[in-house]
Amino acid sequence: DTGVSQNPRHKITKRGQNVTFRCDPISEHNRLYWYRQTLGQGPEFLTYFQNEAQLEKSRLLSDRFSAERPKGSFSTLEIQRTEQGDSAMYLCASSYPNDRVYEQYFGPGTRLTVT
Amino acid sequence: SQQGEEDPQALSIQEGENATMNCSYKTSINNLQWYRQNSGRGLVHLILIRSNEREKHSGRLRVTLDTSKKSSSLLITASRAADTASYFCATEHNTDKLIFGTGTRLQVFP
Repeated sequence: DTGVSQNPRHKITKRGQNVTFRCDPISEHNRLYWYRQTLGQGPEFLTYFQNEAQLEKSRLLSDRFSAERPKGSFSTLEIQRTEQGDSAMYLCASSYPNDRVYEQYFGPGTRLTVT
Repeated sequence: SQQGEEDPQALSIQEGENATMNCSYKTSINNLQWYRQNSGRGLVHLILIRSNEREKHSGRLRVTLDTSKKSSSLLITASRAADTASYFCATEHNTDKLIFGTGTRLQVFP
């Protein structure tokens, strides 16, 4: 399977702990996006990279959140001092321009539960 | 915040019937995309329609776009139980990120 992969698929952590998620995009895709989705809502944009450069960050991304894409391939999303409000599905997507349009392909997501 | 509003929020139909979902958005777009999400799983890209297009087809899917009304519709013809999922529209603006609607939960009964 050469789609977007995310690890872990599920994470349960106690409030105050740090967590890190990993996303491996489709290999030839130069853009990588992170979204967060809470129950009953559509995904909300968090941040995106073009190669290793982080081009945009949402105001949803507080100081406790940091994302990296060190070599322009896989990406990590770290949440420090987790809070119960961080419980959500974290989705990663990747894309490559097709006639100037970036069609995004999503991974299966990492479901975070903060107890 | 989310850009789009989808209507209806939930839809229940019998297999073989057609399902229509609508999406409205607030500001001008480059393109609009429709995604499907099965319960608790990732999103699957269904179809993309550019701002200069009015209608697009893919298999049993038909998407229309009316930029003057800032709205789009997704029609699934001859629905199947396997079409049961949540459907989201997402708009792309000059920033290349997607802004998703609130989704329509479709239930198709066999």
